[in-house]
Amino acid sequence: EDQVTQSPEALRLQEGESSSLNCSYTVSGLRGLFWYRQDPGKGPEFLFTLYSAGEEKEKERLKATLTKKESFLHITAPKPEDSATYLCAVQVYGNKLVFGAGTILRVKS
Amino acid sequence: DVKVTQSSRYLVKRTGEKVFLECVQDMDHENMFWYRQDPGLGLRLIYFSYDVKMKEKGDIPEGYSVSREKKERFSLILESASTNQTSMYLCASSLPGGSRGYTFGSGTRLTVV
Repeated sequence: EDQVTQSPEALRLQEGESSSLNCSYTVSGLRGLFWYRQDPGKGPEFLFTLYSAGEEKEKERLKATLTKKESFLHITAPKPEDSATYLCAVQVYGNKLVFGAGTILRVKS
Repeated sequence: DVKVTQSSRYLVKRTGEKVFLECVQDMDHENMFWYRQDPGLGLRLIYFSYDVKMKEKGDIPEGYSVSREKKERFSLILESASTNQTSMYLCASSLPGGSRGYTFGSGTRLTVV
């Protein structure tokens, strides 16, 4: 069974305190790994797609990396506006995405 | 920008009612999806569609059906609403292959009383 596990469930950071979110996966055939950001009361917003081990993508203070079994979302010097729920998903056969439960990030000034 | 519009942000329905959730996308995407999102469980796929009049069951289709009569519109139907269907419902669309990810709507918060 395809599974995606995110950790930690919740993370509180001070502004400027860098950290990483983890996404580990067990899938029969990985076709891509996706990161999304979700603000309260809104739908998830696409951030990155990663396809192969060793690949990295960056956007502002966020950097996503991929290994054969997990992905990390590194947040460098976060700001309060980075507070959100971050979702990881893996693309399996067809166009189906299997999501993790998410990490709730709170950044305090 | 691709827009996915869900017809209602909040809905309150009674147990046993037939409920329709509507979703429209404006970028000619072939693929459309319905998920529900619950705390601690993440997003779970209910149904999806790769083309007009085509539909496939996701991981939790029980108690739901869908309709896709036009490419831009994908409807989720709760045949007889129950309290355990209280949830956030999210519609999404994507291009074939989905390499650019899904585009999600803002969600419909459904409460069944």
